[in-house]
Amino acid sequence: QVQLVESGGGVVQPGRSLRLSCAASGFAFSNYDIHWVRQAPGKGLEWVAVISYDGSNKFYAESVQGRFTISRDNSNNTVSLQLNTLRADDTAVYYCTKAPQRWGFDSWGQGTLVTVSS
Amino acid sequence: DIQMTQSPSTLSASVGDRVTITCRASQTINIWLAWYQQKPGKAPKLLIYRASSLESGVSSRFSGSGYGTDFTLTINSLQPDDFATYYCQQYKTYPYTFGQGTNLEIK
Repeated sequence: QVQLVESGGGVVQPGRSLRLSCAASGFAFSNYDIHWVRQAPGKGLEWVAVISYDGSNKFYAESVQGRFTISRDNSNNTVSLQLNTLRADDTAVYYCTKAPQRWGFDSWGQGTLVTVSS
Repeated sequence: DIQMTQSPSTLSASVGDRVTITCRASQTINIWLAWYQQKPGKAPKLLIYRASSLESGVSSRFSGSGYGTDFTLTINSLQPDDFATYYCQQYKTYPYTFGQGTNLEIK
């Protein structure tokens, strides 16, 4: 079955960096765009970034543009999200999601919590 | 960016009721709208895509409608498991955006 497993979250000081990973299995990974969505404690969902199925296209939310970088390794079925210059308002659970074309986010990981605090 | 506005923010209902949640986009998104259900501590679950298509495995008590800027999610015959938070999301253009959520609570 489809599985998406995030890792790499933790507590980090403002201004520091963190790298999140999403390991995928159970589907043809290289055929799908992968997105990151985050949710601050007690708040709603916020789309963060996407990488196309072949890695050729990437888009970011304005709130993370220039600080976060998304990448993928289709040989290892993984997607990474590099978080730089972290701020307190980046504190959230980060989910990776699979998105068939024009379908919506049909599979989600369990999320990984990033806490930015001094 | 396309803004998504859901109403109401909170909805109180009883088991067996029929409820409707609305979502309005700040510009046309054609049919590129999805609805998700989220329970505390869990990842969201896709219910509806392309405004009215039911995701596989989702109860037929859930239905979606709308086109352009105005959309609705309807839940028939509410069950105890349906009490959760619901989000709409547009995926016509980047950045994809979500509504602020509707908390469906037991009356």
